[in-house]
Amino acid sequence: SYVLTQPPSVSVAPGQTASITCGGNSIGTKSVHWYQQKPGQAPVLVVYDDSDRPSGIPERISGSNSGNTATLAISRVEAGDEADYYCQVWESSSDHVVFGGGTKLTVL
Amino acid sequence: QVQLVESGGGVVQPGRSLRLSCAASGFTLSPYGMHWVRQAPGKGLEWVALLWYDGSDEKYADSVKGRFTISRDNPKNTLYLQMNSLRAEDTAVYYCARASHANGWYADYWGQGALVSVSS
Repeated sequence: SYVLTQPPSVSVAPGQTASITCGGNSIGTKSVHWYQQKPGQAPVLVVYDDSDRPSGIPERISGSNSGNTATLAISRVEAGDEADYYCQVWESSSDHVVFGGGTKLTVL
Repeated sequence: QVQLVESGGGVVQPGRSLRLSCAASGFTLSPYGMHWVRQAPGKGLEWVALLWYDGSDEKYADSVKGRFTISRDNPKNTLYLQMNSLRAEDTAVYYCARASHANGWYADYWGQGALVSVSS
């Protein structure tokens, strides 16, 4: 089965840029989607198809995908960005949705 | 606006059954695929099931295949998850989510979740 690997935690100072990686075998050939989940809340889609943002998601949040790594970048980080972030792909060989293990973003 | 509201969660004994409902508003279920995704306490997201946009196909995680069934009632605009032979490891918050598809399925709107606790 396809595995997505995320770092358990990332820390960043306010105003800096946070980068959250999602590793997978040839993930650059797949579409990657990202979700933000704040404590006690449902997940929210923040990036789809590698780099597109749903309406209402700030331009500070961006995504990229190449080779074996997809990346979610959050520039000018604010305290309100503190959350868990999950990457996700559709694995067509098994017709399964696959989530990464999640990354906890801490704003110092 | 799009809204999804889950119901039917609760405490159930191992081996018993439970049915979750997900009432949709602000859009019509029938042209959309729908997911169920769960999250065990303190853990990450785990995909459970997908119902194809036209209802023609269903996909399940290996951990629930043969025990869970996803379905929908178009006139009621409601999605269901029938869960049989429940196990302790099925304890989780269960989210329904609208499925969108471009180069693969993803979830663009989520409900607030329903807690299922499997315990004797």
